[in-house]
Amino acid sequence: GIQVEQSPPDLILQEGANSTLRCNFSDSVNNLQWFHQNPWGQLINLFYIPSGTKQNGRLSATTVATERYSLLYISSSQTTDSGVYFCAVAEGSQGNLIFGKGTKLSVKP
Amino acid sequence: DAGITQSPRYKITETGRQVTLMCHQTWSHSYMFWYRQDLGHGLRLIYYSAAADITDKGEVPDGYVVSRSKTENFPLTLESATRSQTSVYFCASRDETAPSKLFFGSGTQLSVL
Repeated sequence: GIQVEQSPPDLILQEGANSTLRCNFSDSVNNLQWFHQNPWGQLINLFYIPSGTKQNGRLSATTVATERYSLLYISSSQTTDSGVYFCAVAEGSQGNLIFGKGTKLSVKP
Repeated sequence: DAGITQSPRYKITETGRQVTLMCHQTWSHSYMFWYRQDLGHGLRLIYYSAAADITDKGEVPDGYVVSRSKTENFPLTLESATRSQTSVYFCASRDETAPSKLFFGSGTQLSVL
């Protein structure tokens, strides 16, 4: 089945810094989503982005489907950005998401 | 309140007992899912349902049973709990348009002693 790899696995930032998280996938997809899991465990859908670029406040995401990768940019990071960021892609007609193992982000004040 | 809710939030049980985790959504989404989250494995799909009375296996279905008699409810049952089923369980839903955004409940932390 399709493989999803995220990098880096861990990232420590000082508040105010920018960061880029990467998601590589092994096959063509028709669905790619980014999620944030906060320190309390809640999973929040950040972006649905099978291709192109989207922005939401300090977060933006770009997916280059032909090259099988997606990037999540976090600008001017805040302590509330801490948590784990998951990339998930869908394969098959049912579109069930396959998750990467996540990038754990810690933003220090 | 609208959304997707899971209960209980925390559960401790013993090996061999039957446990049912509840999931309820108010969006009338067609699709519902159960995932488990474990260190080193990320989120793995247990079962999913495309509509009432339609369910199918995911990546790790062994030891679990699901039912979906009503669109809004999707309970997950561990018929005879094992220690390897200690995990955090997430229910999720999306509408019938494929592809579409997936929304998660708050999770159930299950410990099997």
